[in-house]
Amino acid sequence: DAGVIQSPRHEVTEMGQEVTLRCKPISGHNSLFWYRQTMMRGLELLIYFNNNVPIDDSGMPEDRFSAKMPNASFSTLKIQPSEPRDSAVYFCASSLAEGTGSAFGAGTRLSVL
Amino acid sequence: KNEVEQSPQNLTAQEGEFITINCSYSVGISALHWLQQHPGGGIVSLFMLSSGKKKHGRLIATINIQEKHSSLHITASHPRDSAVYICAVLHDRGSTLGRLYFGRGTQLTVWP
Repeated sequence: DAGVIQSPRHEVTEMGQEVTLRCKPISGHNSLFWYRQTMMRGLELLIYFNNNVPIDDSGMPEDRFSAKMPNASFSTLKIQPSEPRDSAVYFCASSLAEGTGSAFGAGTRLSVL
Repeated sequence: KNEVEQSPQNLTAQEGEFITINCSYSVGISALHWLQQHPGGGIVSLFMLSSGKKKHGRLIATINIQEKHSSLHITASHPRDSAVYICAVLHDRGSTLGRLYFGRGTQLTVWP
């Protein structure tokens, strides 16, 4: 298994642009999580899906952030419009079920100039 | 106040030393995770436990649910153990059911 696959690995964009981060979970895993990591706040859960349904999006910072999971093998996290304070590493993780150990993707390092 | 507190924030050790990293939490949980993040940024899940103790190689994780405390131990530490170790708890109540809360991490450096 290739593990959780995230793309792109690095993204540099200008303030105001739309950013789309992508994630392919491990096949068969039915829970998917989006996290953000910054120096100031550490790791934070943004949103998680169970069986493609968003369960808890209370970590999504504001309306500029949206996440979708159209099917069991793909999820996107979109920021529109992006701001410099969105610069962070965004991780996607998946697990077989809620409460079980998660596998993490390599992360997307986002820089908004 | 953070729901999850780790100590110490930074830890330096000589190769071969026994390492302990502590995690205390203030919410009801259904499980606790220990994660390892290497200098390159990748995150690996080491343990998920809800009671007792788990062992994997030189790593041991324990949890005391009554005291809301967990420890991660590394025996015979090695420079390749140098990483950030993060404690995360899975909340079990109300609208935050299933939500993970993270500690700020412990930076471990093991010198040869």
